Amino acid sequence: GESVGLHLPTLSVQEGDNSIINCAYSNSASDYFIWYKQESGKGPQFIIDIRSNMDKRQGQRVTVLLNKTVKHLSLQIAATQPGDSAVYFCAEPLNSNSGYALNFGKGTSLLVTP
Amino acid sequence: NAGVTQTPKFRILKIGQSMTLQCAQDMNHNYMYWYRQDPGMGLKLIYYSVGAGITDKGEVPNGYNVSRSTTEDFPLRLELAAPSQTSVYFCASSYSPYQPQHFGDGTRLSIL
Repeated sequence: GESVGLHLPTLSVQEGDNSIINCAYSNSASDYFIWYKQESGKGPQFIIDIRSNMDKRQGQRVTVLLNKTVKHLSLQIAATQPGDSAVYFCAEPLNSNSGYALNFGKGTSLLVTP
Repeated sequence: NAGVTQTPKFRILKIGQSMTLQCAQDMNHNYMYWYRQDPGMGLKLIYYSVGAGITDKGEVPNGYNVSRSTTEDFPLRLELAAPSQTSVYFCASSYSPYQPQHFGDGTRLSIL
């Protein structure tokens, strides 16, 4: 299928700073995107999602921005904490032929330093 | 609220052995999925199910089988284990295609 890819494999930020994790997608028909956080030894944990009829969605300390013109989305984490250290994936559902299974990119590793 | 439960958490198999990875969810989700994750990579779809009695192949189904006799359970079977099947296996479920999938904590499988 078409790919959902991440720009950077690793990101190091200082505690208290804001983090921005980027993701590009190639299918212009994509209409739903999800961000997951995966800590070592655990399964992906849902963070936030966004539908294509929105440009921005906010959660607790997180914001997802969607730019359909350039097929790009980003995850912003405010006041990054050590507990935010993890791998972050963006994902989108594939089509009905695969039961809308998720297409994941490789992930961005976020390291929060004190 | 258990969510998605996978057992076992770890397993070592010898080449040619068989085993079943268990997955159960208590959220009454129709959609269930099996993914595998190789080191440093994203997740790849093995099999999926859109409801009890309905299963279908994903991107990497060779060497695996599934069944879905109930809404809650979606076991994954490895019949003849091969070293290429060394991976971390994740089960996930969702209520609908436009709701987030919930994942279990995975089964780490090594085949030697």
